[in-house]
Amino acid sequence: AQRVTQPEKLLSVFKGAPVELKCNYSYSGSPELFWYVQYSRQRLQLLLRHISRESIKGFTADLNKGETSFHLKKPFAQEEDSAMYYCALSGPGGFKTIFGAGTRLFVKA
Amino acid sequence: EAGVVQSPRYKIIEKKQPVAFWCNPISGHNTLYWYLQNLGQGPELLIRYENEEAVDDSQLPKDRFSAERLKGVDSTLKIQPAELGDSAVYLCASSRQGVDEQFFGPGTRLTVL
Repeated sequence: AQRVTQPEKLLSVFKGAPVELKCNYSYSGSPELFWYVQYSRQRLQLLLRHISRESIKGFTADLNKGETSFHLKKPFAQEEDSAMYYCALSGPGGFKTIFGAGTRLFVKA
Repeated sequence: EAGVVQSPRYKIIEKKQPVAFWCNPISGHNTLYWYLQNLGQGPELLIRYENEEAVDDSQLPKDRFSAERLKGVDSTLKIQPAELGDSAVYLCASSRQGVDEQFFGPGTRLTVL
């Protein structure tokens, strides 16, 4: 079955500490992976996608096909990173977009 | 640019009543999505349109839910009759094409009493 799993509902770190939000997926094929973010009182928006291989706001994510993971990482968390983060995948042609349940990141001062 | 527009933002109805949600995607975006988001969960795809064609509606409960995108622009999602379990946020998103970045609207929060 196709699935996106985010094992942590809540992740709390101190400002300046490294952060890693975990995402594992199950998909029979080659999906495209995304991280979406929702800041307080804002819309859900794209943070990054694996094919672009960019670093956005200091965040990076590497697709590990062997471990079927797409973990989101940032070496030094900032208070403004506090938000809800969703991992998502899409199949070929964009079909079957599936979101994980989300991880709430709280960065403490 | 306003981005994806949804209305209403909030809706409270009694069970068994009908309800409709409206979405206006970003100009030029051919792909439109409707999602359901329950509290504490991620968005779940209900239906996806490519222009006016519904290309993925496998998760749409067709006994009570219906959707249309008649001219390939605006879309309406309807529930008739609503049930208590339909209380959720209904999100609309659009993209230039299927695997492109999705732009989300603010959502409609439905409460069924």
